[in-house]
Amino acid sequence: QSALTQPASVSGSPGQSITISCTGTSSDVGSYNLVSWYQQHPGKAPKLMIYEVSKRPSGVSNRFSGSKSGNTASLTISGLQAEDEADYYCCSYAGSSTFDVVFGGGTKLTVL
Amino acid sequence: EVQLVESGGGLVQPGRSLRLSCTASGFTFGDYAMSWFRQAPGKGLEWVGFIRSKAYGGTTEYAASVKGRFTISRDDSKSIAYLQMNSLKTEDTAVYYCTRVTVGSVIDWFDPWGQGTLVTVSS
Repeated sequence: QSALTQPASVSGSPGQSITISCTGTSSDVGSYNLVSWYQQHPGKAPKLMIYEVSKRPSGVSNRFSGSKSGNTASLTISGLQAEDEADYYCCSYAGSSTFDVVFGGGTKLTVL
Repeated sequence: EVQLVESGGGLVQPGRSLRLSCTASGFTFGDYAMSWFRQAPGKGLEWVGFIRSKAYGGTTEYAASVKGRFTISRDDSKSIAYLQMNSLKTEDTAVYYCTRVTVGSVIDWFDPWGQGTLVTVSS
């Protein structure tokens, strides 16, 4: 399976909103509402931020939201804070088997 | 608190073996599939493999890059998942993470993740 496509980097100023895109195909992102997003600070473990396209786990700020249109999923962070500076990875179920997933290459978010 | 703790990393020579452990707590380990990922220095996340729960047969899947060299197993009585790594190569150098897999009808999401353990393959 090919990786999902994410921008290498995005940036924004404190208080602004940013959106990170995650483009797949009609075989993965476009066919299933099973997209998840992970935040990873340097030297730390990944953390689940969004699952099933737009659901937030308990404890995740409501400044984080997810959506999907066609073959592209998006993660939006509103009211940017310095602590949001991290790498973000998207993931989608890919359909070939029960355990078939594909990941994006990651996006580095810089808070200016 | 749901928690995963990896152990067993270290420096190993090319061609040698190493076994990583992932000790779980705070949930019924046997009810969940588990997965291993790795992250080479400065690179993104790479999926290594899965092990299904016994309810799904306890079977495994592996990335092409490690198939035939790495083996995932589990001991539900001890709440531990293992990653046996044989014939290690320098390109296997990475931080290795274990994570719990949520499966509905198909795989859904990965949460939580352990803190990771560093494996360095070098002569």
